[in-house]
Amino acid sequence: QSVLRQPPSASGTLGQRVTISCSGAISNIGRFGVNWYQQLPGTAPKFVMYSNTQRPSGVPDRFSGFKSGTSVSLAISGLQSEDEADYYCVAWDDSLNGWAFGGGTKLTVL
Amino acid sequence: DVQLVESGGGLVKPGQSLRLSCVASGFTLSSFAMNWVRQPPGKGLEWVASIRNGDTDRYANSVKGRFTMSRDNAKNSLYLQMNSLRVEDTAVYYCARGLSESQFDFDHWGQGTLVTVSS
Repeated sequence: QSVLRQPPSASGTLGQRVTISCSGAISNIGRFGVNWYQQLPGTAPKFVMYSNTQRPSGVPDRFSGFKSGTSVSLAISGLQSEDEADYYCVAWDDSLNGWAFGGGTKLTVL
Repeated sequence: DVQLVESGGGLVKPGQSLRLSCVASGFTLSSFAMNWVRQPPGKGLEWVASIRNGDTDRYANSVKGRFTMSRDNAKNSLYLQMNSLRVEDTAVYYCARGLSESQFDFDHWGQGTLVTVSS
């Protein structure tokens, strides 16, 4: 069981907006920023969102992040075929004294 | 360009040891926090360990006491010494650079090296 909870799957059609949620607790999302990673099949993860809402350099502005309490969301608008990937949230956890990952969400572009 | 290249993975038996290496280029490894993250086949990501200057190394409970992270600044390299390996340690192991000297947040990742623990 992952400390951070993500839906196992999400889907959307080309051009649509899709949202992936990540919920946690006070000890992680409640106190610390959440980062998001995109992992295309057979490749290393790529940094796509930093500290809930900040896009690292080179990430298109179709990607945005939101936070409310102990939950965060990653939104992708204008969905493209190359967005089809696994997405992971991660945050520092005070109780673990370490990083806690979500279980990952497989995004399918229909 | 920032590059991280892991090596040292392979097939070992339970109870044996393995040492992973991660060679960095395009930046000075000693100026950044560094991390190891693993991914069992077909499963999600799991944090393993983190290191930064002037701080105690951090380890996941699942590897504490068995794994040790270190770095050789002269070789711009990061290492993960893995002892008493278990079947559940089977995974692709990634090294990941932190955002800064003090921030662990993983911004660049290597391509990973596969460790298989099986009798």
